Amino acid sequence: SAVISQKPSRDICQRGTSLTIQCQVDSQVTMMFWYRQQPGQSLTLIATANQGSEATYESGFVIDKFPISRPNLTFSTLTVSNMSPEDSSIYLCSVTFRDSNEKLLFGSGTQLSVL
Amino acid sequence: GDSVTQMEGPVTLSEEAFLTINCTYTATGYPSLFWYVQYPGEGLQLLLKATKADDKGSNKGFEATYRKETTSFHLEKGSVQVSDSAVYFCALSGSSNTGKLIFGQGTTLQVKP
Repeated sequence: SAVISQKPSRDICQRGTSLTIQCQVDSQVTMMFWYRQQPGQSLTLIATANQGSEATYESGFVIDKFPISRPNLTFSTLTVSNMSPEDSSIYLCSVTFRDSNEKLLFGSGTQLSVL
Repeated sequence: GDSVTQMEGPVTLSEEAFLTINCTYTATGYPSLFWYVQYPGEGLQLLLKATKADDKGSNKGFEATYRKETTSFHLEKGSVQVSDSAVYFCALSGSSNTGKLIFGQGTTLQVKP
């Protein structure tokens, strides 16, 4: 089965700084997504990463705060910009594959703590 | 809009007890339904899924049946083990896009020996 590599696995950052999270898949995928899991809460979709074009953001999320890139079919980055303690969460990359099941797989996540 | 509601946790059971975690949903069209599991210190994993009414998803002794009449997808296991201790998430995918999931709030299960 496919392997999704997400890094860093965790980081502690200072308020006002930015962090870029990488997601690499070892096979071509149809779609890539970024989710956020705030402490003690469920997962919320941030955006769909589109290859070669701007990401599609869900309500409540904007490009200036969460810029996303997807230069090819197997790689995407999410940047958390101008961080505040409220951004402390687990950020997860997820992908779907072009097969009959279109199964959604998740990366292991990035645990972000903002001081 | 679409939504998923799970029973509140945490749920604490003794080993070999019967497990039910309730999940109900609100959606337009014909969503696919999923249960994901997050073991301590690990990433989110697909446990089982069902794509149409009356389908039963099953895996590792867990089962869930897609009930359109009651808009439910309850997770059950006949005999839980300590290793089943984890957080369980119910989720749905709208009929137009299987990649965008709407998750319930998660239910923590703790199984004691």
